[in-house]
Amino acid sequence: DTEVTQTPKHLVMGMTNKKSLKCEQHMGHRAMYWYKQKAKKPPELMFVYSYEKLSINESVPSRFSPECPNSSLLNLHLHALQPEDSALYLCASSHYAVGRVGSYNEQFFGPGTRLTVL
Amino acid sequence: DAKTTQPPSMDCAEGRAANLPCNHSTISGNEYVYWYRQIHSQGPQYIIHGLKNNETNEMASLIITEDRKSSTLILPHATLRDTAVYYCIVTSGTNNLFFGTGTRLTVIP
Repeated sequence: DTEVTQTPKHLVMGMTNKKSLKCEQHMGHRAMYWYKQKAKKPPELMFVYSYEKLSINESVPSRFSPECPNSSLLNLHLHALQPEDSALYLCASSHYAVGRVGSYNEQFFGPGTRLTVL
Repeated sequence: DAKTTQPPSMDCAEGRAANLPCNHSTISGNEYVYWYRQIHSQGPQYIIHGLKNNETNEMASLIITEDRKSSTLILPHATLRDTAVYYCIVTSGTNNLFFGTGTRLTVIP
């Protein structure tokens, strides 16, 4: 199984709502990531989890709260978002943890959750 | 991680080879060159990577110049399904992918 799944595919939420995005992989990968992609722009790294611990936060606002309950699951909790947060949210995973300099780290991406904030 | 420069768009006739260039003149000795592509409305897909030798897999070939300051991704027989945005990324092998603006490849029938 070389698939990363993301749910839901689409999400519409108001600025006062609380919602969560879910990502799952069963490839035994120990690193998982969240990316944000605005329309016609490249993906931007948000968070990196290594062995279920947050290792990188790319200065993401606190209204985005990641969680890694186990090695197969990654959640992104959303609260008090703004309309400018509307984007495609991509999850990815890879074999190796951060810091394996000299190793390649092919990332497997999910199809994304398209989020609209009203 | 070193910065990369790619042409914003390219066209290629179906069945012909697509050659996508990438400049990475500030690459350092332990940095790898990765290529990913993103077909419309899908997540990015890994294509190939290399350090200094040329590489080939079932999807593509990667040619890296001897000074490692540039590389070319070659799709040997482009099909309509290869229409996508292609990203060249240089990274030291940690997990942090910083995508540039990429090249939008359009394969023309």
